[in-house]
Amino acid sequence: DTGVSQDPRHKITKRGQNVTFRCDPISEHNRLYWYRQTLGQGPEFLTYFQNEAQLEKSRLLSDRFSAERPKGSFSTLEIQRTEQGDSAMYLCASSIGTGRTEAFFGQGTRLTVV
Amino acid sequence: AQKITQTQPGMFVQEKEAVTLDCTYDTSDQSYGLFWYKQPSSGEMIFLIYQGSYDEQNATEGRYSLNFQKARKSANLVISASQLGDSAMYFCAMREFLKAAGNKLTFGGGTRVLVKP
Repeated sequence: DTGVSQDPRHKITKRGQNVTFRCDPISEHNRLYWYRQTLGQGPEFLTYFQNEAQLEKSRLLSDRFSAERPKGSFSTLEIQRTEQGDSAMYLCASSIGTGRTEAFFGQGTRLTVV
Repeated sequence: AQKITQTQPGMFVQEKEAVTLDCTYDTSDQSYGLFWYKQPSSGEMIFLIYQGSYDEQNATEGRYSLNFQKARKSANLVISASQLGDSAMYFCAMREFLKAAGNKLTFGGGTRVLVKP
């Protein structure tokens, strides 16, 4: 399968714990995006990488959130001291460019904070 | 203000009939792109169709077509000959090319489509 893959698909964690999600983009794609989607809503932009450089972060990305993309390949999104409000689907997408180039999405990681 | 508005939270459509999903957008950019994605219950966002702000013709991709009315800032998706597999959430999204943050997609709230046999 050469699409965007995310791991894990589901994560249940207790409030206050740290969690880390991984995204493997399509191999030749230099741009990688993280979005958050809560139930019944559209995805909201969190952050964007071009190669290994994190070029943009949303105000939604509080200081408890950190994302990395070492060597411009896979990316990780870490949430520290999780809160119940962090419960959502976390979607990763990649693209080979901007403009009319569509972003390809993974199946997401569903986080439930109990 | 909402950049992307989808006013229809849910719709029923009879199999083999056409359905139109509404999308209006708000931007001051002259150069932008509009995307439609389908999200089945599995969660993955599937790209359907793209319309650029300077494209003179309405985009078409198989059974999907986009009714682009630039002056009204609307980009409605038309699905012809609906199939049971079309049952899903549909999202309209915009990318503004001239803004410094010109790489992200801004999504609407989505429309849930249920195709009846």
